[in-house]
This record gives sequence, structure tokens and C-alpha cells, in this order.
Amino acid sequence: KNEVEQSPQNLTAQEGEFITINCSYSVGISALHWLQQHPGGGIVSLFMLSSGKKKHGRLIATINIQEKHSSLHITASHPRDSAVYICAVRMNTGNQFYFGTGTSLTVIP
Amino acid sequence: DAGITQSPRHKVTETGTPVTLRCHQTENHRYMYWYRQDPGHGLRLIHYSYGVKDTDKGEVSDGYSVSRSKTEDFLLTLESATSSQTSVYFCAISRGPGNEQFFGPGTRLTVL
Repeated sequence: KNEVEQSPQNLTAQEGEFITINCSYSVGISALHWLQQHPGGGIVSLFMLSSGKKKHGRLIATINIQEKHSSLHITASHPRDSAVYICAVRMNTGNQFYFGTGTSLTVIP
Repeated sequence: DAGITQSPRHKVTETGTPVTLRCHQTENHRYMYWYRQDPGHGLRLIHYSYGVKDTDKGEVSDGYSVSRSKTEDFLLTLESATSSQTSVYFCAISRGPGNEQFFGPGTRLTVL
């Protein structure tokens, strides 16, 4: 049982394409966290959000609390965006985050 | 990048031996976490700490213990390592329980 589902599991895109990665969850949450894991293994925080939308450079994250869904968009994708993108949620109760299994993105030049 | 280091970065050990992994932070964050990452699973919480000497269990705590005697250090101990504990272990820190988490570089542990 996983409270957090990500789709697609794997994604291959051509350089320059607009990319969307989805995250769905089944219970009420207080926060959602998007992270990026590079091929070398390091994990980097991208966004924390509890409502609305956030943008940083070519990355945009949105969340719809009513629909229990979040999306991570990458505009003008580049090979250096190739990584695993991980969604994590913090439930309304408890202190821990629950993590999805990640979406593996490969951007081809 | 947040100042988080983990040691060792790689370790190979034998079944039944004790193993201690160390997480060290220079950010003075209150919360520290130990996760394991395995194929087919998301990161899973082993234990976390919300202050010096204050710890609590996560969803996969069996076979692990932790200690935090100083704000900057969080130790994860496998009292008697088993092959099922072969994994990549990540430490993370945050200011508070719902805040953004920052991750260390990971420790790859192999138990033969």
C-alpha cells in the first residue's frame, strides 16, 4: 500500500519538450514536497507547497487539494533535467512524509 | 546546499555484525531523519529525531536503533546486520516537521 502514486513511472522526451509529471495521494495532507534525484544518487529539494502554484526557473509545481493531485512541469526540457523526480506528502496527522516511487525522466538531445 | 554529510559513504559488512552510520549537519536544524531507499519502494522512514535525545520510530524501524546526543549528529545503528538491510541510507534534516527536507549524499550498505 502506498499513499502516494506517481505517473508515469518512466518518461523519455526530446530536448525542448514540455514535460508533466503527476502525483496523486489518497488522504488529506498538510504539505507536498517535490524532489529531484540525480543519476549519482544525490537528492535535491525542488518545491514545498500546500496550495496553488510555485515556479522556479523552468520548473512549475501545482497542487489541487480538492482533487488530491499535484503536477510538476518542466518547460523547454534539457538533457541535464534527466533524473528521478520524487513526490512526498505529509499527512494531516503525524510528522513524517510518505514518498512516491519516483518518475524516471530521460531527456534526449 | 545544506551542510549535511554522511559517513561512511560505502560499507560492506557481514551478516550478524554491528554497523553504525553517522549523519552530521552544520545547519542547526532541529529535525533529523534516517531513510532507506530500495528498488520498487519510495524512501521509507526508519527513525527521526526532533531534538537532542528525542527520537521516534518510522514505518520500518525494526532492527534499527538511533541516538542523538548533539544537535549536529544523528547515528543509525544496526545491532546485528542482516541481508535485508542491504540498502542505500539517506539522512535528512529540516527546521520543523512539515518543513522542506534537505538530504545527505547517502550511504550504500551491503550486508553479505
